[in-house]
Amino acid sequence: DAGVTQSPTHLIKTRGQQVTLRCSPKSGHDTVSWYQQALGQGPQFIFQYYEEEERQRGNFPDRFSGHQFPNYSSELNVNALLLGDSALYLCASSLVGYSTEAFFGQGTRLTVV
Amino acid sequence: AQSVTQLDSHVSVSEGTPVLLRCNYSSSYSPSLFWYVQHPNKGLQLLLKYTSAATLVKGINGFEAEFKKSETSFHLTKPSAHMSDAAEYFCVVSDLDNYGQNFVFGPGTRLSVLP
Repeated sequence: DAGVTQSPTHLIKTRGQQVTLRCSPKSGHDTVSWYQQALGQGPQFIFQYYEEEERQRGNFPDRFSGHQFPNYSSELNVNALLLGDSALYLCASSLVGYSTEAFFGQGTRLTVV
Repeated sequence: AQSVTQLDSHVSVSEGTPVLLRCNYSSSYSPSLFWYVQHPNKGLQLLLKYTSAATLVKGINGFEAEFKKSETSFHLTKPSAHMSDAAEYFCVVSDLDNYGQNFVFGPGTRLSVLP
């Protein structure tokens, strides 16, 4: 049983560009959340997707957007990249309505130059 | 609003001695609480979780944590540190809503284990 998989593992982009990160949730999970982890800090919640809709959103600008597909996989898009967007982006999957832990992927390391 | 305070940004212990990583939380509801560990260049791994059952929670690799509602604390302990325990540890508070977990992470505590 594959866990949460994210792609790519590393990415280098130029300021002003756009980037798309991908996540496949753990088998059987239907909810995907995205987190940004800046160097030396704890992960910060970006948003959560369930039934192909954004259900919750953290304190992130509209440059951050997402999508969830019918197979529950998800994408995170960031437009107009800033140097401050450099971080580890983590995807977490869970099952709606259950008081259980979320499973995290290994993350995508984004570097904006 | 939920929040988590991890009182120590860095803890250093000798191998074989006890580990104590402190966590205090703030939550308007009955929270779920978690400890996650992150080794360098790795994802997050769940150590243990509290979800309103027993207040003393046992996790993997000999770690345990005690939920104390009166103190709003959820400190992580281990009787004897091992070199492989060196990592970043995150305390997490979560409320369960209609769509699942909404996690708030603490800033993390870096654990160093000295030989």
